[in-house]
Amino acid sequence: AQTVTQSQPEMSVQEAETVTLSCTYDTSESNYYLFWYKQPPSRQMILVIRQEAYKQQNATENRFSVNFQKAAKSFSLKISDSQLGDTAMYFCAFNNNAGNMLTFGGGTRLMVKP
Amino acid sequence: KAGVTQTPRYLIKTRGQQVTLSCSPISGHRSVSWYQQTPGQGLQFLFEYFSETQRNKGNFPGRFSGRQFSNSRSEMNVSTLELGDSALYLCASSSEGATNEKLFFGSGTQLSVL
Repeated sequence: AQTVTQSQPEMSVQEAETVTLSCTYDTSESNYYLFWYKQPPSRQMILVIRQEAYKQQNATENRFSVNFQKAAKSFSLKISDSQLGDTAMYFCAFNNNAGNMLTFGGGTRLMVKP
Repeated sequence: KAGVTQTPRYLIKTRGQQVTLSCSPISGHRSVSWYQQTPGQGLQFLFEYFSETQRNKGNFPGRFSGRQFSNSRSEMNVSTLELGDSALYLCASSSEGATNEKLFFGSGTQLSVL
């Protein structure tokens, strides 16, 4: 069974600064997909960024980028130029070619301070 | 396009009752998946439906069931409610249910079992 671990329950960052959220996973699969989802107080989960395991290049989406280390089974999210609207729960998720069956980590609560 | 719509937003039931939650996916989406979110267990996959067929199922007892209609709308049912079933139930849809697809989530149904 796959497991996803987020070791930082809570983090805070000053507005305009950079923050990195950690995620590790465990799998015996060679091909899979990794995601970061954001859940603001509205409760609606929103996809932030996704990474395909067979692609060595790290994914980027505007201010969001990942550091994907396949051998270490690590998938961290870097948020640059943090904004107040980035305040939310962030979930790392894993999918090993099983439809839309995601395995989520426990989440990291991020607070961006003015 | 309208987003994923879940009804009702809030629900209060008593132990032993049954409940039905509804999810209308984004127009044109054929895959609907359900997740349970609790403070203790986090986000857990319940099941996924694609073109009216259950494609994947998580590790939940048989009291949890679901179905999908020809218009892709989905319902999930929980029978003989237990206190531990109190949770936020999230529905997500995607176009083809492919592993790397972006999931679009609804705002969830908050179920409280008294």
